[in-house]
Amino acid sequence: SQQGEEDPQALSIQEGENATMNCSYKTSINNLQWYRQNSGRGLVHLILIRSNEREKHSGRLRVTLDTSKKSSSLLITASRAADTASYFCATDERGTYKYIFGTGTRLKVLA
Amino acid sequence: SAVISQKPSRDICQRGTSLTIQCQVDSQVTMMFWYRQQPGQSLTLIATANQGSEATYESGFVIDKFPISRPNLTFSTLTVSNMSPEDSSIYLCSVGKGGGGETQYFGPGTRLLVL
Repeated sequence: SQQGEEDPQALSIQEGENATMNCSYKTSINNLQWYRQNSGRGLVHLILIRSNEREKHSGRLRVTLDTSKKSSSLLITASRAADTASYFCATDERGTYKYIFGTGTRLKVLA
Repeated sequence: SAVISQKPSRDICQRGTSLTIQCQVDSQVTMMFWYRQQPGQSLTLIATANQGSEATYESGFVIDKFPISRPNLTFSTLTVSNMSPEDSSIYLCSVGKGGGGETQYFGPGTRLLVL
């Protein structure tokens, strides 16, 4: 069963704007990861944030984690057309080693 | 990091037949995972495959339908048995290290179409 719910399900923005995607999960976790998938291809790992971390940055990406609310957000700044993809969060339930994926957000960046 | 390859990359199969998907990793890993991604959907975990033990299946997936082998620390296979059109999906293997805090890497996936 899927643990994470993401919103919005779909997002369309203009190039240069920021895109924010949210992920909520149900159980205590060790880590949360964000992935990108282009047109049904393989998943590209973007960033991992541990349960004791609140914020991480990687280039134009900013991820936050609020374990009290069981939620995370992914911010892509200054978006580009090449950012058009589906974005998934994945969490490993504490005490297990398996990652469960969220429902995903389909991002479309218009040039 | 880990580099993962899968074979075949895609296949078209007839109803009732079986397909074995191979997953090869460029380094030794403790845990390997198999996921299914149905068209337009997110990824669903099928099973966890540890070397030297039986695979652990998630709810809704059974060994008779999805037998898995894990003969060593760099290789695994997933068989999709007695296929039906509902099995048309992308099948992905991934690897991770036990203990938490490790990034999970994914193979490129196998696109399966069952007619």
